[in-house]
Amino acid sequence: GDSVTQMEGPVTLSEEAFLTINCTYTATGYPSLFWYVQYPGEGLQLLLKATKADDKGSNKGFEATYRKETTSFHLEKGSVQVSDSAVYFCALSGTGTASKLTFGTGTRLQVTL
Amino acid sequence: GAVVSQHPSWVICKSGTSVKIECRSLDFQATTMFWYRQFPKQSLMLMATSNEGSKATYEQGVEKDKFLINHASLTLSTLTVTSAHPEDSSFYICSALLEGRYNSPLHFGNGTRLTVT
Repeated sequence: GDSVTQMEGPVTLSEEAFLTINCTYTATGYPSLFWYVQYPGEGLQLLLKATKADDKGSNKGFEATYRKETTSFHLEKGSVQVSDSAVYFCALSGTGTASKLTFGTGTRLQVTL
Repeated sequence: GAVVSQHPSWVICKSGTSVKIECRSLDFQATTMFWYRQFPKQSLMLMATSNEGSKATYEQGVEKDKFLINHASLTLSTLTVTSAHPEDSSFYICSALLEGRYNSPLHFGNGTRLTVT
């Protein structure tokens, strides 16, 4: 079945540092890939998505590129801020199963001054 | 933006009792809602898909008699954990799909932390 593996946290960075959170997936066909973010005390929010190979999703300075050859969708940001502290979830929806999401375990990011 | 309200945000109950969790779409109609469960340091696991006016579709391994789902209106789905036991303690999250927008992103509630003593 479909699965998502993302790096374990917590990840602790200083403000303005470069961020990478790794995510790899296993799925048949051509899944859509997502990053969701959960800020403290809030629900999950869609951060960005990519629906086909080589697509790059971007939002709020975050980027992720759908790499079919490496089955990866790593999240990156060039300069993190304290306000980016949250839990980040990588997810996929399989071919023909739009909206039925398979999640990774989540990675907690803590950004300090 | 679309808002999903989940209530309660946390609940503590005694073993053997039942607990109801509500998931409401506040400013849109949701034909389909999803219920997830998250154990500490683990993924969100889809439990069931709730469709307004019909029976929920449960994922393999989820006891339908244990986790009762009712989706009686386009804005409300409920999850009832019946005869709760300590192993049911977990974080439960609902999400809702805008009516007719099957490829649109899901909107999530803030989750409910259930502790069974």
